[in-house]
Amino acid sequence: ETGVTQTPRHLVMGMTNKKSLKCEQHLGHNAMYWYKQSAKKPLELMFVYNFKEQTENNSVPSRFSPECPNSSHLFLHLHTLQPEDSALYLCASSQDGGQTLDTQYFGPGTRLTVL
Amino acid sequence: QKEVEQNSGPLSVPEGAIASLNCTYSDRGSQSFFWYRQYSGKSPELIMFIYSNGDKEDGRFTAQLNKASQYVSLLIRDSQPSDSATYLCAVKGGNTGKLIFGQGTTLQVKP
Repeated sequence: ETGVTQTPRHLVMGMTNKKSLKCEQHLGHNAMYWYKQSAKKPLELMFVYNFKEQTENNSVPSRFSPECPNSSHLFLHLHTLQPEDSALYLCASSQDGGQTLDTQYFGPGTRLTVL
Repeated sequence: QKEVEQNSGPLSVPEGAIASLNCTYSDRGSQSFFWYRQYSGKSPELIMFIYSNGDKEDGRFTAQLNKASQYVSLLIRDSQPSDSATYLCAVKGGNTGKLIFGQGTTLQVKP
């Protein structure tokens, strides 16, 4: 595997379900990100981890819970979601999120549908 | 005022023409600027980045940055149908360090 991978690629869940999204980066980076992309809206940053420490929580509802056990893996735990949470969830990684000259690379995304 | 603004388009150009995509930003302290390409149903793919005022060329792509006017543009020379996609402008904020994305401009290159 190379670059940034995400699983599952597609997920359909009910509002009472609990599921997790997984992201893994094979680039040796130290920062990882979760973004949400809804139709007709710009990419929205959700969470940032830099050297395994959460450095950003962009006012995300508590039904989304991130976990970063090490610099290569990032999870997004989902519970009691709402239909409006249906979107493409993108993971990204970069060398060092604290640096100005830092470039983010995206995974393929998970298409989430909440029924 | 949106932090990063792009015309959503669609911008339609004939094959072989130059496509010009524009982006303006509000944070005067922004220091780094990125262009991503996103095909329908796919994730964003980095095309190029620019940090200094002026032009930066990479193959058929040229990024232009004017910090005084707070705009960044992407020129695509010899446009091909395969360039048809949504182009996202992203700006790294001066204060927060967060990458802020525009809504994207949809480009259509017609054979």
